[in-house]
Amino acid sequence: GAGVSQTPSNKVTEKGKYVELRCDPISGHTALYWYRQSLGQGPEFLIYFQGTGAADDSGLPNDRFFAVRPEGSVSTLKIQRTERGDSAVYLCASRNRANTGELFFGEGSRLTVL
Amino acid sequence: AQSVTQLGSHVSVSEGALVLLRCNYSSSVPPYLFWYVQYPNKGLQLLLKYTSAATLVKGINGFEAEFKKSETSFHLTKPSAHMSDAAEYFCAVVNNAGNMLTFGGGTRLMVKP
Repeated sequence: GAGVSQTPSNKVTEKGKYVELRCDPISGHTALYWYRQSLGQGPEFLIYFQGTGAADDSGLPNDRFFAVRPEGSVSTLKIQRTERGDSAVYLCASRNRANTGELFFGEGSRLTVL
Repeated sequence: AQSVTQLGSHVSVSEGALVLLRCNYSSSVPPYLFWYVQYPNKGLQLLLKYTSAATLVKGINGFEAEFKKSETSFHLTKPSAHMSDAAEYFCAVVNNAGNMLTFGGGTRLMVKP
């Protein structure tokens, strides 16, 4: 696609529920990133994929968070037993391997846990 | 590990006035530095980047930033603010491997008519 696409744009759920957030990166970008942005803060790194494998998942806050990228393109961020503190905007970005550091971001998925 | 600090979470300027948004970095190696802009309910968009070429970097929308090693700074400036510049601005540094960005806390720019 022309840009990074994220769905849903908004998700409201109840505490304890399971949530999936989807990211479709720019076509041909091998690297895919998930960041979390809480209100009034900068994006915080969660996990990074190079191809199908998670190259670095050191930012995942706990084992309720998991992400997959089975075919090296679309990725899904999965959150189990959601808590109110999980409320944030989840940003996905992709990168062309040739461009050091420069990420292209989607518009984010706003998660609200009631 | 690399990090960036943005001084001032909120900056307010009048339309037509100089914009100065501050960013200081910490890095054990020559850094690659970025400024991103985020408009309300939108994703982050790259404004400009420093990759060890010219120290004065020009970006989109009339913004520029100067890399100063002696001051470990990469401040963002624009000579004349426009109402459309109102947004959140993030400074970021890339890690040694060149595959991850670490962001500052952001500065919200408000432009008064």
